[in-house]
Amino acid sequence: NAGVTQTPKFQVLKTGQSMTLQCAQDMNHNSMYWYRQDPGMGLRLIYYSASEGTTDKGEVPNGYNVSRLNKREFSLRLESAAPSQTSVYFCASSKQGRETQYFGPGTRLLVL
Amino acid sequence: AQSVTQLGSHVSVSEGALVLLRCNYSSSVPPYLFWYVQYPNQGLQLLLKYTSAATLVKGINGFEAEFKKSETSFHLTKPSAHMSDAAEYFCAVTLNTGGFKTIFGAGTRLFVKA
Repeated sequence: NAGVTQTPKFQVLKTGQSMTLQCAQDMNHNSMYWYRQDPGMGLRLIYYSASEGTTDKGEVPNGYNVSRLNKREFSLRLESAAPSQTSVYFCASSKQGRETQYFGPGTRLLVL
Repeated sequence: AQSVTQLGSHVSVSEGALVLLRCNYSSSVPPYLFWYVQYPNQGLQLLLKYTSAATLVKGINGFEAEFKKSETSFHLTKPSAHMSDAAEYFCAVTLNTGGFKTIFGAGTRLFVKA
């Protein structure tokens, strides 16, 4: 099992550019999440998907959109990147919402 | 509002010394409590979790945590620190508020001195 995979590992964008971060899990989990990690702030939830076909906003959704493509894949899109979106982005999944979350290796995004 | 507070953004201990990382939460509903560990340039991985079966929870690598409802705390301890324990530790609370949501603390970076 690969667990949770994320692509790309690292990306540099210019302000205003768009990109999609990809996430896939092979554990047959129902719930998937996108977090951003910034120094001193822990992880903050951007969006989550409790089950295939549903998505909900988390704590910091502004400037982002998500798509739960199927049970395995959950993508995060930045339509018009801003320097404030410079961060490390983690995708995670869990069998159900109250259970252990399994994290991908992260994507480091730098917006200039 | 629900929140998670980790006291001390940095903790430094000597090898062989007790490790104590503090976590307090505020919640109006029974929480599910977790500790995760993050090694440099990696994602988070589960250290241990509390799900109401027992108040003292044992995790991997000799860590344990005790749920104290009266103090709304879930502190993480290890009797004897190893160099390999140097990492960042996150306390997390999952709440059922009409849907499950997880709140992470800001993290505590543990340094272990030889």
